[in-house]
Amino acid sequence: QKEVEQNSGPLSVPEGAIASLNCTYSDRVSQSFFWYRQYSGKSPELIMSIYSNGDKEDGRFTAQLNKASQYVSLLIRDSQPSDSATYLCAVMKGSQGNLIFGKGTKLSVKP
Amino acid sequence: GAVVSQHPSWVICKSGTSVKIECRSLDFQATTMFWYRQFPKQSLMLMATSNEGSKATYEQGVEKDKFLINHASLTLSTLTVTSAHPEDSSFYICSARPDPNTEAFFGQGTRLTVV
Repeated sequence: QKEVEQNSGPLSVPEGAIASLNCTYSDRVSQSFFWYRQYSGKSPELIMSIYSNGDKEDGRFTAQLNKASQYVSLLIRDSQPSDSATYLCAVMKGSQGNLIFGKGTKLSVKP
Repeated sequence: GAVVSQHPSWVICKSGTSVKIECRSLDFQATTMFWYRQFPKQSLMLMATSNEGSKATYEQGVEKDKFLINHASLTLSTLTVTSAHPEDSSFYICSARPDPNTEAFFGQGTRLTVV
């Protein structure tokens, strides 16, 4: 089992819809989780971080964490074409805090 | 968010030569920096953890004699790809965090092409 798993997509949603991105992780003791957005040819940029069970909202983005199910998700409301990118789920591991990334889900928002 | 600057953003070099990539934390001190490599359509793979004032910790399968890491100050880490080959062509990205338990910020990345 891979440490961080994501559906590679592509996930296609119409403009204005809700995009739902999912991620599962294998290390039960993980405590810190992140969603990054990566445009083609660019480095990742942080979208959300989440550390405790439940929902965390920031503008159009909502991160959800369920540690019992080892599951973390990202919802994007009112999706825009500019949201089209690859979304990377990352889990912090180790005492030095390195990140383990999933393969990413490619999101396409159609006008 | 915190700023991490990486230089150069792209470089083309000949096989057998060496290339140095710099990663700087501009507005915070980073005792630890991370180096990643990303091949096309693949995710980021951690290569090594760079520790200020001590040796880097390399991930399994990463040749430490080929990928030299120096973290000489609290704001600068360098990655040198020695004797580069075409298969080393990739997108190299560094990251650092102001606080050990919070989010990491990434440099702009360096696109290395070995011809």
